[in-house]
Amino acid sequence: DAGVIQSPRHEVTEMGQEVTLRCKPISGHDYLFWYRQTMMRGLELLIYFNNNVPIDDSGMPEDRFSAKMPNASFSTLKIQPSEPRDSAVYFCASSSWGKGPFGLNTEAFFGQGTRLTVV
Amino acid sequence: AQRVTQPEKLLSVFKGAPVELKCNYSYSGSPELFWYVQYSRQRLQLLLRHISRESIKGFTADLNKGETSFHLKKPFAQEEDSAMYYCALRGGRRALTFGSGTRLQVQP
Repeated sequence: DAGVIQSPRHEVTEMGQEVTLRCKPISGHDYLFWYRQTMMRGLELLIYFNNNVPIDDSGMPEDRFSAKMPNASFSTLKIQPSEPRDSAVYFCASSSWGKGPFGLNTEAFFGQGTRLTVV
Repeated sequence: AQRVTQPEKLLSVFKGAPVELKCNYSYSGSPELFWYVQYSRQRLQLLLRHISRESIKGFTADLNKGETSFHLKKPFAQEEDSAMYYCALRGGRRALTFGSGTRLQVQP
């Protein structure tokens, strides 16, 4: 498996434009997470899904942000309209709630992130 | 509520010196604690988890429930250890809560 795949790797857009970030989780994983990384706030959880259903979206900053998971192998994070303060690296991660080593649930595997710049 | 605090944004040490990256947490139940590492231009990856009690790349971390801490330690830092380190907690919800991260800089 190639791991969690995110696209695009870099996105530069003008303020007011719509931005769509994409994520393909690891096959078989039933949890998908979207995080945002900034210098000031570190890694913040935006939203996560279980079996394609949003479980907790309390970290989504405002209505301009929306996320979907239409099937087990694809998720999108959309910002409309985008603003300069949305500039950050957005990470997608996936995990499985099955039993791994030590009888524990497996770790979260991260994608390489999308660096978003809104000018 | 669950919270992770990493008080140092930057920790700079010389090669061969001991390293301790601090992490404190707040959570009312029994959490799972993790350390993730992000090397330059690479994805975030798991370094170690408290329950496995393992040493990875010479790093260890002990969960101290009395002090609610999970500090990351290495007796002799190497230049290749330079990276961003995140402490994370998994409590009642499935998602990880991360600290703000500490950048470790190991100078030659």
